[in-house]
Amino acid sequence: SQQGEEDPQALSIQEGENATMNCSYKTSINNLQWYRQNSGRGLVHLILIRSNEREKHSGRLRVTLDTSKKSSSLLITASRAADTASYFCATALGNQFYFGTGTSLTVIP
Amino acid sequence: DAGITQSPRHKVTETGTPVTLRCHQTENHRYMYWYRQDPGHGLRLIHYSYGVKDTDKGEVSDGYSVSRSKTEDFLLTLESATSSQTSVYFCAISELNQPQHFGDGTRLSIL
Repeated sequence: SQQGEEDPQALSIQEGENATMNCSYKTSINNLQWYRQNSGRGLVHLILIRSNEREKHSGRLRVTLDTSKKSSSLLITASRAADTASYFCATALGNQFYFGTGTSLTVIP
Repeated sequence: DAGITQSPRHKVTETGTPVTLRCHQTENHRYMYWYRQDPGHGLRLIHYSYGVKDTDKGEVSDGYSVSRSKTEDFLLTLESATSSQTSVYFCAISELNQPQHFGDGTRLSIL
């Protein structure tokens, strides 16, 4: 399976702190994407990084990709209570996507 | 939200009965996907479609079939539901190498 693995499985931080979650995968990719899922809802796309990119920013989000180590990290800066959700990485190869098991983030007000 | 509608949103049925879930899109995206989400497994791909009448199996396709007779609709059928198919089912759409957009899911319970 090419399924990614997120680390940690759960993370609890205070509002205003930074949150970092990591993703490892097994095979080559076209791109890697991060998604957020609020309880009872579908996944929402956050950011996409292509295999030839090393870092990408979007607002308070920073994503890095190391294809030699087959790993990626998502950094959320200055976290807010509204960032409480599960976060998933997904690797894309061709027209198929492979999702990890997710990191559950709790931001305490 | 991208124009994706899943129906029904909730369903309770009995083992052995057929079940069909519907995904409808208004975005004219080429690719459509069915996933199931279970605790400890994340999202797992069941089937996907890359065009009208063009479908392929995913990681966990046993016990499921799909059909796509027009661009906007992708149906997932459980021919004879089993308790192991109790799950939350998500439909997603995308274009090649682009992010996926998800529906809000169907919570299916098989008793």
